[in-house]
Order: sequence, then structure tokens, then C-alpha cells
Amino acid sequence: RKEVEQDPGPFNVPEGATVAFNCTYSNSASQSFFWYRQDCRKEPKLLMSVYSSGNEDGRFTAQLNRASQYISLLIRDSKLSDSATYLCVVNIGTGGFKTIFGAGTRLFVKA
Amino acid sequence: IAGITQAPTSQILAAGRRMTLRCTQDMRHNAMYWYRQDLGLGLRLIHYSNTAGTTGKGEVPDGYSVSRANTDDFPLTLASAVPSQTSVYFCASSPDRYNEQFFGPGTRLTVL
Repeated sequence: RKEVEQDPGPFNVPEGATVAFNCTYSNSASQSFFWYRQDCRKEPKLLMSVYSSGNEDGRFTAQLNRASQYISLLIRDSKLSDSATYLCVVNIGTGGFKTIFGAGTRLFVKA
Repeated sequence: IAGITQAPTSQILAAGRRMTLRCTQDMRHNAMYWYRQDLGLGLRLIHYSNTAGTTGKGEVPDGYSVSRANTDDFPLTLASAVPSQTSVYFCASSPDRYNEQFFGPGTRLTVL
């Protein structure tokens, strides 16, 4: 089993739709969590960190469920410009610290 | 320089040749990383450095070496390139290993 798993998609949604991505992680020593966005042939860029209490940034909401070991990203009122690949990232451990990237979920928003 | 830069942008290389990919950051970040990204596999960590003067192996270190002589630079060397090293290589940095990472624009490497 992969340490971080995402539904690869693609998700095809119309403009204005609400779309949700889930990401599961297997290591209970996971400490911090992030969502990155990657456009085609570009570098990944931080979208938002994920806090234990959940957090929101405009149309984007991130949540963490430690008991079930998953994080989620909700995008409301999708825009054409939201079309990208969304990467789930998990930082694991302390002494043997490592960062694991999910393979990404592809989103297409269509007019 | 603003942020993190990589060079070259792309390269076609004959198998067996030696190649160094360059990475420079001006954010005074302690930690730096090299990843490769292949279709369907996501980003895989090659090597990392938590601070100048130290390096560590990631998930896929074989065939690659790194050095971290100072805070700003973190070159990645392929001693003898093989076709399986054809990939997109991203360098990243973070204030320390617990924080979010900032990525360079990537180097597209093709080994023939």
C-alpha cells in the first residue's frame, strides 16, 4: 500500500461546480499536511496547509481527519483556471523525518 | 534572483555521459531537495539536505549524487547517465524540513 494515496481522476466538472478530493495516508506518525497545485509542465506550488481544525482560503477548504487518516480539499464555485493537478503532501515522523507526495488528482473544469 | 532557479531548463544527453543539474535559492532556506517526476508515479525524492554541509538519501538515490557546500546551492550529479533517468527534475527548498517546500521550474532531461 502506498503511504499517500489519491484518486488519480480525472475529475471533469462544469464551471461553478463544487468538487472534493480525498487523500489517505497510512502512517500514524504523520505530522503536517499540505495541498499543492501543479499546472501542466510546471512546478508544484503550495495551495494551502491543512490544520487540525480545518481551514479555508476563499473558495478552498481543507480538512484533516486524523482518526481515519485522510485529508480533503473542497473547491467551491469552480473556475476554468482551477484546472490543474492537485497533490496531497504528508510530512511523516520526527527523527526519520520524510515528506511524501501523492501522485495527484487531475481536475478539468469546463465552460 | 528571486526564489529558486534551476539550470538547464532542458537537456538531451547521451547515455554514459556525466551531467550536473544546478539549483540555487536566495531565500536562505536551510533545507533543499531533489525530486524526479515521472508520469503516474508522482514526485519521488532523490536526495535532500537539511542544512549546509549535510546530505541524505531519499527514495530513489541510486545513480545520483549531491553536495551542499553552502546554503544557496544544491547541485545534482548523474555520474553516468542511463535512459531510465529520463525525467523531469525538480529542486525545492524549505525554511526547515517541517515546513512547506518551494519548487524551482524544473529541468527536463532526456537520456538517449
